[in-house]
Amino acid sequence: KAGVTQTPRYLIKTRGQQVTLSCSPISGHRSVSWYQQTPGQGLQFLFEYFSETQRNKGNFPGRFSGRQFSNSRSEMNVSTLELGDSALYLCASSLGQRQETQYFGPGTRLLVL
Amino acid sequence: AQSVTQLGSHVSVSEGALVLLRCNYSSSVPPYLFWYVQYPNQGLQLLLKYTSAATLVKGINGFEAEFKKSETSFHLTKPSAHMRDAAEYFCAVSDGPSQAGTALIFGKGTTLSVSS
Repeated sequence: KAGVTQTPRYLIKTRGQQVTLSCSPISGHRSVSWYQQTPGQGLQFLFEYFSETQRNKGNFPGRFSGRQFSNSRSEMNVSTLELGDSALYLCASSLGQRQETQYFGPGTRLLVL
Repeated sequence: AQSVTQLGSHVSVSEGALVLLRCNYSSSVPPYLFWYVQYPNQGLQLLLKYTSAATLVKGINGFEAEFKKSETSFHLTKPSAHMRDAAEYFCAVSDGPSQAGTALIFGKGTTLSVSS
């Protein structure tokens, strides 16, 4: 099976812009979760989508949003970028239950200037 | 709410020595616990997970972890370190309402260095 893919792998934006990141899960996985990884805050949960519905949400401002399509692919959007949004954004897919393994993609590294 | 504490942000061992990475958790429900490894510029790879089937869990690359409820611990061990084990290791607990929702709560991570 192909693994989780994320595009693009690297991105440079300026403050105030918006960005959209994409994630394609493992075939058959209906749950897609997004995480932000920074040196200061570590790995933090953003949100989870399951069957096109947001099922769980972390403690991030409304500038961070996402959606999931009928084929389980997911996109994450960040509007009005701030310098502090520079991070590695990781997507993970799973079958959707708490005990199931989440399989991670390679991440998108976002740099905000 | 669930939480994870990894003791020691950096652990250094010699090749062939025992590896011990510590993880303590806090959970209001029976926990599901995971250890992931991250190599530079890569995503996270699952090493092993505890889902209440057995307290001693064996994973990939010779790693294992023991779930100790009385100590709320899930420490990761490997009898003999190899140079290729140098990476960052993350302990995580699965959060979420009941069985639905799969938010992973991660510890801050432990960087393992292996010297020859």
